[in-house]
Amino acid sequence: NAGVTQTPKFRVLKTGQSMTLLCAQDMNHEYMYWYRQDPGMGLRLIHYSVGEGTTAKGEVPDGYNVSRLKKQNFLLGLESAAPSQTSVYFCASSWKDASHTDTQYFGPGTRLTVL
Amino acid sequence: RKEVEQDPGPFNVPEGATVAFNCTYSNSASQSFFWYRQDCRKEPKLLMSVYSSGNEDGRFTAQLNRASQYISLLIRDSKLSDSATYLCVVSNNAGNMLTFGGGTRLMVKP
Repeated sequence: NAGVTQTPKFRVLKTGQSMTLLCAQDMNHEYMYWYRQDPGMGLRLIHYSVGEGTTAKGEVPDGYNVSRLKKQNFLLGLESAAPSQTSVYFCASSWKDASHTDTQYFGPGTRLTVL
Repeated sequence: RKEVEQDPGPFNVPEGATVAFNCTYSNSASQSFFWYRQDCRKEPKLLMSVYSSGNEDGRFTAQLNRASQYISLLIRDSKLSDSATYLCVVSNNAGNMLTFGGGTRLMVKP
């Protein structure tokens, strides 16, 4: 049982390049989330999914797209990377939505630098 | 004004000390409240949920004051291993999103 895994762990991109971050969970969770964490800002929600085939915008969705084709995977895409997207990206999953006192399990994070 | 505000610290305390962190939130309709712990360069992990009546888990006590929109975390008998950043987390009124505070950094010294 690996929990939540993220690929890759580190990446350096040039401005304008594209990439996809992969999140996988083996806990059969319905809900999955992508956050970014910047110094002093706390984690901010980019997009989330309440089940296979569904996605929704979070607090800071601009410049990102997501897909949830399989229940266990949640992909985050950057179509044209910008230096402002330099951040640590965390994926998380949970059984229930945030209205319940339910744990969100986080992956180890992806450190992305855009030059 | 940030939706969830915390003193960033750092709080430097000796082993065995009692330390308290506070957090204020702006959305009066928030439904759920949590404290998460994040070690340096690691992912956040749930420390404890916060219930209206207050709750305790070993050396940790969390309290919620809905009227003042204020959450607290008390750590008794601090251990070196308690050194971390503590994140105050609040759900939105729809219950489908969590908002994280910027975190309070705790450093416990021998």
